[in-house]
Amino acid sequence: EVQLVQSGTEVKKPGESLKISCQGSGYTFSNYWVAWVRQVPGRGLEWMGITSPQKSETRYSPSFQGQVTISADRSISTAYLQWSRLQASDTAFYFCARSDGLGNSRYFDLWGRGTLVTVSS
Amino acid sequence: SYVLTQPPSVSLAPGQTATITCGGDDIGSKTVHWYQQKPGQAPVLVIYYDSDRPSGVPERFSGSNSGDTAALTISAVEAGDEADYYCQVWSSDSARIFGGGTKLTVL
Repeated sequence: EVQLVQSGTEVKKPGESLKISCQGSGYTFSNYWVAWVRQVPGRGLEWMGITSPQKSETRYSPSFQGQVTISADRSISTAYLQWSRLQASDTAFYFCARSDGLGNSRYFDLWGRGTLVTVSS
Repeated sequence: SYVLTQPPSVSLAPGQTATITCGGDDIGSKTVHWYQQKPGQAPVLVIYYDSDRPSGVPERFSGSNSGDTAALTISAVEAGDEADYYCQVWSSDSARIFGGGTKLTVL
């Protein structure tokens, strides 16, 4: 089955670090870019960044540049999203999504089920 | 940053045709994709490249894109179509690639 499996719910305190994961299976992981999308409960979708497991290249939304680190390890078909110092405003669902399409036509054809991150003192 | 504007909500009775719009400056020159998100679930791609349907998406779902408006049309809506719908265009330089979302309610 073609799928993206995300790591489980996290509850952290402000100032703590965190790394969540997204493992692809059922397809050649390195052939597709993987994006991360944030959704604050009750709000819309926000694109955070996208990484190429094959090229080891990552691009960030200007809104998230410097706030998070996105990476991938193609040897284990896994993409990561990490924070060095969490804030309460990072509380949200985080989805990974496989990106298909070329150039200015990228779209997201496969999504993980999401990881809920709660940051509270 | 390129702005995509969607109506917050659309409501209609079962069997009617829903049209969800996505406005943007000369959006017709871009490629638009659409996602359906039901409560508590991940988004699902329902239209890509303006009007193509992924396998498994009913033919009732169609898309168009011209001028300053793209649209997702759902014919003969059913209760199971109730969801939030998001349009998306791609730009790695933009902070926003998704519209604000439209909540479709089937009365």
